[in-house]
Amino acid sequence: KAGVTQTPRYLIKTRGQQVTLSCSPISGHRSVSWYQQTPGQGLQFLFEYFSETQRNKGNFPGRFSGRQFSNSRSEMNVSTLELGDSALYLCASSLRQGQIEQYFGPGTRLTVT
Amino acid sequence: QQQVKQSPQSLIVQKGGISIINCAYENTAFDYFPWYQQFPGKGPALLIAIRPDVSEKKEGRFTISFNKSAKQFSLHIMDSQPGDSATYFCAARRSARQLTFGSGTQLTVLP
Repeated sequence: KAGVTQTPRYLIKTRGQQVTLSCSPISGHRSVSWYQQTPGQGLQFLFEYFSETQRNKGNFPGRFSGRQFSNSRSEMNVSTLELGDSALYLCASSLRQGQIEQYFGPGTRLTVT
Repeated sequence: QQQVKQSPQSLIVQKGGISIINCAYENTAFDYFPWYQQFPGKGPALLIAIRPDVSEKKEGRFTISFNKSAKQFSLHIMDSQPGDSATYFCAARRSARQLTFGSGTQLTVLP
């Protein structure tokens, strides 16, 4: 069974631009969570989607948004990029909302210049 | 406010030694405590997890010790190997909510 895939793996954007990251969960998994990983702040939860609805949300500004499609694939969008948004963005999938086991993808490395 | 505190930040152990990483939490509502292992260029991978009604859980060379009264839990890696060199994260979760991660420990096992 294929793991969680994230595209693109690397991205370079300019401050002020917007970006969309994609996540395909493990087949059969319906819950997708997004995390931001930085050296200074560590792993921080962004949001969780289940059945196309946002179920949980972390403490990030409204510039960070996401959505989930009927096939459970998810996208997250960051608008008006700031230098501090440079990070590894990780997607994790699980069978259902709140399930203990979460499986992480390799992440998308976003660099904002 | 950081809810899960992890130490040490980095750890160097000789091959065959025991690696010990500690975490402390504040929220007594946490009901699930996993440990993740992350290699460079990879996402975190679930290593082992424990619930607060158990004081210890062992899987192969990896053991979680849990002290509910002290609100602390630790990961012990027995017979540490160079292949164990990675970053380890403890985490905690309340009900069906999101995981709250510790700051991570970079483990280096010397050959």
